[in-house]
Amino acid sequence: DAKTTQPTSMDCAEGRAANLPCNHSTISGNEYVYWYRQIHSQGPQYIIHGLKNNETNEMASLIITEDRKSSTLILPHATLRDTAVYYCIVRESFGDSWGKLQFGAGTQVVVTP
Amino acid sequence: KAGVTQTPRYLIKTRGQQVTLSCSPISGHRSVSWYQQTPGQGLQFLFEYFSETQRNKGNFPGRFSGRQFSNSRSEMNVSTLELGDSALYLCASSPVQRAPSYEQYFGPGTRLTVT
Repeated sequence: DAKTTQPTSMDCAEGRAANLPCNHSTISGNEYVYWYRQIHSQGPQYIIHGLKNNETNEMASLIITEDRKSSTLILPHATLRDTAVYYCIVRESFGDSWGKLQFGAGTQVVVTP
Repeated sequence: KAGVTQTPRYLIKTRGQQVTLSCSPISGHRSVSWYQQTPGQGLQFLFEYFSETQRNKGNFPGRFSGRQFSNSRSEMNVSTLELGDSALYLCASSPVQRAPSYEQYFGPGTRLTVT
């Protein structure tokens, strides 16, 4: 079973920031938070990941709460091409190897003009 | 660099048959994972291979099997096909399993229809 809870869907206006919440209240100390997205008819695309510090890359920012029980993915300036299903996943690290990626239902994000 | 390639892209089989799907990872990538995606169950992890060894396995019956070759290419096989095996099968590759940023790059998938 997936260890995360996300809203089923959300809308966002083009050019505005999209804030996607994720709850992972049972996360353990060696589990990372990963975000992927899947645009219709394509394979999933990696966005960002983090352990406990906030992270930023060219695609998005990841804000993780201090207790690590929830996180928010921020798309700073949403475009129509950001319309996709966004998956929040927790993944276990064993030091020299990784646990499997377990996808949940994700959040369907629709960016409107 | 070329992306992850999967062949064939579309496949139609009948119940009881078996099928083999192929995945060529990005050049230099040594880890390959397989996923099944259906409307009802979503994206589910099948298995992961690294250096020709299966490292992780999902909760699928033994009819689903896979292997990885020395050039990192991977195949998955489904025997005795059932209608419920109709799905999009996705392959993902990653450069090194131990890397701290274990990003997976997904291929376009093989759409399998079982009739």
